[in-house]
Amino acid sequence: NAGVTQTPKFQVLKTGQSMTLQCAQDMNHEYMSWYRQDPGMGLRLIHYSVGAGITDQGEVPNGYNVSRSTTEDFPLRLLSAAPSQTSVYFCASSTMNTEAFFGQGTRLTVV
Amino acid sequence: KNEVEQSPQNLTAQEGEFITINCSYSVGISALHWLQQHPGGGIVSLFMLSSGKKKHGRLIATINIQEKHSSLHITASHPRDSAVYICAVSGNTGKLIFGQGTTLQVKP
Repeated sequence: NAGVTQTPKFQVLKTGQSMTLQCAQDMNHEYMSWYRQDPGMGLRLIHYSVGAGITDQGEVPNGYNVSRSTTEDFPLRLLSAAPSQTSVYFCASSTMNTEAFFGQGTRLTVV
Repeated sequence: KNEVEQSPQNLTAQEGEFITINCSYSVGISALHWLQQHPGGGIVSLFMLSSGKKKHGRLIATINIQEKHSSLHITASHPRDSAVYICAVSGNTGKLIFGQGTTLQVKP
């Protein structure tokens, strides 16, 4: 099993550009979520999903879009990048009875 | 007030010392998680607890549901234990609410 695969690992964007962070898991987990990690702010929830076709907003959803067309994939889209979105992003998956598994993280810089 | 509070925020120990990190939460939960993050690194799950106590090697995690409190203990600490330790809680949707983390440095 690969676990949670998150790509890319590093990305630099210009203000206004769009991009998609990919997240895939091969453990048949129903729960998937996206977090951002900022110094002094800790980890904060952006969007989450409890199953294919079901998504909901977290604490900091503005400027991000998600979809969950399959159990395996949960991409995060930045619609128009802003410097405030410079952060480290983590995708995670789990079930009700398992620990959370995290992707390796994406370090995003918006200039 | 944060829903998940950790203490201390920073901790320096000498190699071999017994270490305790505390976590208190104010919301209803299905489980509590202890996570580890090395500098510049990814996040790894150490424990998932819904009651009682768990032990992996030198690490022990306990939870008191009535008091809404958990502790992570590291016995015989080692410099390689230096990392950020994060407490998080989850309900029935899989989403995690995180504490601010405890930065641990173990000196040789």
